[in-house]
Amino acid sequence: SAVISQKPSRDICQRGTSLTIQCQVDSQVTMMFWYRQQPGQSLTLIATANQGSEATYESGFVIDKFPISRPNLTFSTLTVSNMSPEDSSIYLCSVVGRVDEQFFGPGTRLTVL
Amino acid sequence: GENVEQHPSTLSVQEGDSAVIKCTYSDSASNYFPWYKQELGKRPQLIIDIRSNVGEKKDQRIAVTLNKTAKHFSLHITETQPEDSAVYFCAASNGGNNRLAFGKGNQVVVIP
Repeated sequence: SAVISQKPSRDICQRGTSLTIQCQVDSQVTMMFWYRQQPGQSLTLIATANQGSEATYESGFVIDKFPISRPNLTFSTLTVSNMSPEDSSIYLCSVVGRVDEQFFGPGTRLTVL
Repeated sequence: GENVEQHPSTLSVQEGDSAVIKCTYSDSASNYFPWYKQELGKRPQLIIDIRSNVGEKKDQRIAVTLNKTAKHFSLHITETQPEDSAVYFCAASNGGNNRLAFGKGNQVVVIP
């Protein structure tokens, strides 16, 4: 399976600021996603990161709050904008490998004070 | 959209016994059903999956069964070991778009 890395692994931020999370894959992948996992909760899909076009957002998530870039088939960024304590979560990218199998990055643990 | 429900929320088993976790889904168009294991502080790890054209799949001590008519699928872990203790998530997607909808997760505790 692909090797997926994320930066930063964790961060503590002040409310009102923004944080950009990077996801790097060691091979080209067509499908890449961003998920959020709030403390003690399940995973919720934020958006599909589309290469060369705007991301496709799930209900409840908007581009102004979570802008996403996907400049090529190995890299994507998710920005969490104008943060509040409610944004404290683990943010994970995922990629689809062989025949629908989806693999997750190590996650970025975000704490907003 | 797809709604996945997972039961029970917590499951405690004696080491060596079997554990079964059941999930139900709502969208009849879903055709791909993976299971993930997440240990504390780690990423979710894909442990087994099943597609809608198959009723059962096994991989050593774990197996997954699918009942398309009833829209439920289950994870079976036999001969449980302490290292099986983790949170297990089921998920479902329409394989055409790969967008996974996750259940709430089950905390499995294997008692030595």
